[in-house]
Amino acid sequence: DAGVTQSPTHLIKTRGQQVTLRCSPKSGHDTVSWYQQALGQGPQFIFQYYEEEERQRGNFPDRFSGHQFPNYSSELNVNALLLGDSALYLCASSGRDREYLDTQYFGPGTRLTVL
Amino acid sequence: AQSVTQPDIHITVSEGASLELRCNYSYGATPYLFWYVQSPGQGLQLLLKYFSGDTLVQGIKGFEAEFKRSQSSFNLRKPSVHWSDAAEYFCAVGARRSASKIIFGSGTRLSIRP
Repeated sequence: DAGVTQSPTHLIKTRGQQVTLRCSPKSGHDTVSWYQQALGQGPQFIFQYYEEEERQRGNFPDRFSGHQFPNYSSELNVNALLLGDSALYLCASSGRDREYLDTQYFGPGTRLTVL
Repeated sequence: AQSVTQPDIHITVSEGASLELRCNYSYGATPYLFWYVQSPGQGLQLLLKYFSGDTLVQGIKGFEAEFKRSQSSFNLRKPSVHWSDAAEYFCAVGARRSASKIIFGSGTRLSIRP
């Protein structure tokens, strides 16, 4: 059973550019959440998608947007990149798993560097 | 406000020694509580979680944690650490509803002394 997968692994962009990160949830999961983890800090919640709609959002500007597809995979888009957007971006999936109800499982992350 | 505090930024213990990582939370309702571990350059792996019931929960890799409502704490323990336990440990809290956002602490880095 494949876990949560993310692509790409690493990405280097320059200020002002746009970036798209991708996530495939664990099999059987229908909810995807995105987190930003700056160096030396804990992950911070960006937003969550369920049934192709944004269900919750953290304190992130509108430059951060997302999408969920019918197969439950998801994309995170960041426009007008700033140096401060450099971070590890983590995707987590969850669903009505019989034993681990509502537990979020994390992917390996995408390391974004903005120069 | 909802928050998680991990007061120890960095802890070093000798291999074979016992370990306790502290976690305190602030949450308006009864929370779901989690401990995750992150190895360098890796994603987060779930160690254990508390939803309800027995306040002492067992996790993977020999870890356990105890939920103490009166102290708003959820400390992580292991009786004997191994060199492979060196990593960053995050305590987190979530709401008691379907797949809500998780709020993380700032983490405790664990180093193991040979």
